[in-house]
Amino acid sequence: GAVVSQHPSRVICKSGTSVKIECRSLDFQATTMFWYRQFPKQSLMLMATSNEGSKATYEQGVEKDKFLINHASLTLSTLTVTSAHPEDSSFYICSASDGQGTYGYTFGSGTRLTVV
Amino acid sequence: QKEVEQDPGPLSVPEGAIVSLNCTYSNSAFQYFMWYRQYSRKGPELLMYTYSSGNKEDGRFTAQVDKSSKYISLFIRDSQPSDSATYLCAMNSNSGYALNFGKGTSLLVTP
Repeated sequence: GAVVSQHPSRVICKSGTSVKIECRSLDFQATTMFWYRQFPKQSLMLMATSNEGSKATYEQGVEKDKFLINHASLTLSTLTVTSAHPEDSSFYICSASDGQGTYGYTFGSGTRLTVV
Repeated sequence: QKEVEQDPGPLSVPEGAIVSLNCTYSNSAFQYFMWYRQYSRKGPELLMYTYSSGNKEDGRFTAQVDKSSKYISLFIRDSQPSDSATYLCAMNSNSGYALNFGKGTSLLVTP
């Protein structure tokens, strides 16, 4: 089946620093990747959609200069949280689709970000 | 009104029971329907993926889609304590679009 690898699984950083999260599709080409944020006991909140080789499309209220998304290849997308603050602490999850609906949408295992 | 409605529970059942999880939706354009299982602090795991109306069975899991009623269900037979998790329904109108999620139902299967 389709596998999406997300790293790191957990990161603690100091306020004001930047953190990069990687999401890789291991056995299929991910033409579209989605980035979500999830608060405790809440559902997933879509942050942005990225298509390979194009600029990401951000949801309303999500700062594109703070959450930098790069989708330079069909197997890799990155989310960089810039100048992180404690309120950015959350669970971030990526999801990948081959655009054909072949595998449904496969999610990464998530990254727990704690900003201190 | 949210596009996808799902009772958050919690739902508690004894081991071996049949579990029924449901979602309703308002957008008649939705045609791809998915059920995910999410354990605490983990990413969602795809359980069932169906297109349009009908039933789909995989082991102890059965997914049903009734587009006329805008209602989808997931049934779990012979439930096990390891099935304790949050179950999320998700759907969209195009395989390349972002998913619309329900809030998730928290399930607890007690031994």
